[in-house]
Amino acid sequence: EIVMTQSPATLSVSPGERATLSCRASQSVSSYLAWYQQKPGQAPRLLIYGASARATGIPARFSGSGSGTEFTLTISSLQSEDFAVYYCQQYTDWPPYTFGQGTKLEIK
Amino acid sequence: EVQLVESGGGLIQPGGSLRLSCAASGFIVSYNYMSWVRQAPGRGLEWVSVIYSGGSTFYADSVKGRFTISRDNSKNTLYLQMNTLRAEDTAVYYCARSNNWFDPWGQGTLVTVSS
Repeated sequence: EIVMTQSPATLSVSPGERATLSCRASQSVSSYLAWYQQKPGQAPRLLIYGASARATGIPARFSGSGSGTEFTLTISSLQSEDFAVYYCQQYTDWPPYTFGQGTKLEIK
Repeated sequence: EVQLVESGGGLIQPGGSLRLSCAASGFIVSYNYMSWVRQAPGRGLEWVSVIYSGGSTFYADSVKGRFTISRDNSKNTLYLQMNTLRAEDTAVYYCARSNNWFDPWGQGTLVTVSS
């Protein structure tokens, strides 16, 4: 089973600033990596697939990068609606599908 | 519009059974891989089960032998039969299309296992 590890657990950033979230896989997942955003009381929402492709309707301020075992989600200029929990998920070796434990992005 | 709507959650005693439903619209369930994912209170996402378009099924070790995933093609609906429920099964259960990544997701249904 591939273990996904996200860091940091909590990230405090001011609105308008850049946020950088990390995700590491215990073995190579090539570019088979997705990112999700989850707001309180809501279902997760797909942001990024294929490590860097934005899902339909996702603003350009969200970008993904990386391959192999190291991945990054960058939000270029934080808006109030971006404060949420973010999860990464690998889909190179499944089942089981595996998620990271999440990074909470909070307002500084 | 592509949409998933779960139902069937509730309060159930330990050892009890519950069946969750996930009605799909805008796409055909049987043509896709479909999964259940759960989220315990204050915790992260845990994949529970998948049914392939061909009908094969797989489960997380934590639910193997207790949960059964199935679908009704005539109703375009996904199900999760949960037996021998434990307190640690308490969670919001989401259904999602899972051909690779998960999209879309349903709104979730809360299952609480407590006496």
